Amino acid sequence: AQSVSQHNHHVILSEAASLELGCNYSYGGTVNLFWYVQYPGQHLQLLLKYFSGDPLVKGIKGFEAEFIKSKFSFNLRKPSVQWSDTAEYFCAVNPSSGGSYIPTFGRGTSLIVHP
Amino acid sequence: GAGVSQSPRYKVAKRGQDVALRCDPISGHVSLFWYQQALGQGPEFLTYFQNEAQLDKSGLPSDRFFAERPEGSVSTLKIQRTQQEDSAVYLCASVRGSGSNQPQHFGDGTRLSIL
Repeated sequence: AQSVSQHNHHVILSEAASLELGCNYSYGGTVNLFWYVQYPGQHLQLLLKYFSGDPLVKGIKGFEAEFIKSKFSFNLRKPSVQWSDTAEYFCAVNPSSGGSYIPTFGRGTSLIVHP
Repeated sequence: GAGVSQSPRYKVAKRGQDVALRCDPISGHVSLFWYQQALGQGPEFLTYFQNEAQLDKSGLPSDRFFAERPEGSVSTLKIQRTQQEDSAVYLCASVRGSGSNQPQHFGDGTRLSIL
């Protein structure tokens, strides 16, 4: 069974600071990787995803993530955060082989950005 | 365009009562997932449908939990003889196809409180 670990549960930053949220997973096969965001009062929505090709993927609102296969990691980055980035961020892993396409989510990271 | 719709948004029930939670996925979406999300945690998989077929129900916590999607669109999650530990947010997500590289589209969730 796969698992997902998000090391930072709560992050507080000032506007214009750089952001990196960690995500590590355990699974022996090939995977598809996702970051979802939940803004206050809204539903979970896709931020970016990786399933093949360039391991550096770009998403909405200036976010990017890098898949490092050897480290089983898919960390989320943004060079300069804004107050509107205040939200919960969830990393998710979905096996791409083995027939069971059940995603596993991390417990989430709460990001607060001070203006 | 219409997203995933869940109802009710909030449900309060007394311990021992039965509850039914509804999910209306995006029209034409083949796959539908139910998750349970406890406070401060990520979504935990409950069950998954492809069209009307329930392909995996390994995440249902007990036989008090039952889900159906009889016509391959709307789905209902039923919890019988509710207990306090059932209190959580129940999320529904739909996926356009059946591949694991496709993102999930989430509803706003139903917040269930058992007194």
